[in-house]
Amino acid sequence: GQNIDQPTEMTATEGAIVQINCTYQTSGFNGLFWYQQHAGEAPTFLSYNVLDGLEEKGRFSSFLSRSKGYSYLLLKELQMKDSASYLCAVRDKGTYKYIFGTGTRLKVLA
Amino acid sequence: EAQVTQNPRYLITVTGKKLTVTCSQNMNHEYMSWYRQDPGLGLRQIYYSMNVEVTDKGDVPEGYKVSRKEKRNFPLILESPSPNQTSLYFCASSGGGAGGKLFFGSGTQLSVL
Repeated sequence: GQNIDQPTEMTATEGAIVQINCTYQTSGFNGLFWYQQHAGEAPTFLSYNVLDGLEEKGRFSSFLSRSKGYSYLLLKELQMKDSASYLCAVRDKGTYKYIFGTGTRLKVLA
Repeated sequence: EAQVTQNPRYLITVTGKKLTVTCSQNMNHEYMSWYRQDPGLGLRQIYYSMNVEVTDKGDVPEGYKVSRKEKRNFPLILESPSPNQTSLYFCASSGGGAGGKLFFGSGTQLSVL
């Protein structure tokens, strides 16, 4: 079957570092994506991993281990504007279907 | 400006009254798709299209129709809406860059009474 798991909610303090984990099970794998979604808005693309390892983009980094079906999104130097939901998604190889996790709602406290 | 345009932003209708949600992209993307987002369930794919006249079912296609007659447009049709189709809908497109990252429209909040 196809399944993506991520924590429902996380809380962190401004200036801190937070890691949001995502585990997945899919019949075929063709890339893992992270999206940010502010309340009432559309998701926006953050990062993409298709090979194992760490991808760094400014304050945000994303890691992938295909053998473990595991990814994480690392947010450094947290800001209040980072309060949002973070969606993990996997694209299925062959069908090009996208499977999304239910999202992790991150609250950044002053 | 590169964008995906969805209309309407909000829609209230009654059971059984046919409706269409429009989606248009100006990025010449081949891939387009529709999602619904419900609390606790996340984004679920309804239909997707790899190119003109090529469409495929996602995970929750029942009660929905789509068509892709032109590359830029991908309307979502609810022939006979029911209350369980009350949801937030997103259209998205992808051109293959960054592994196929999705560009989302601003969403349509649909209420079926």
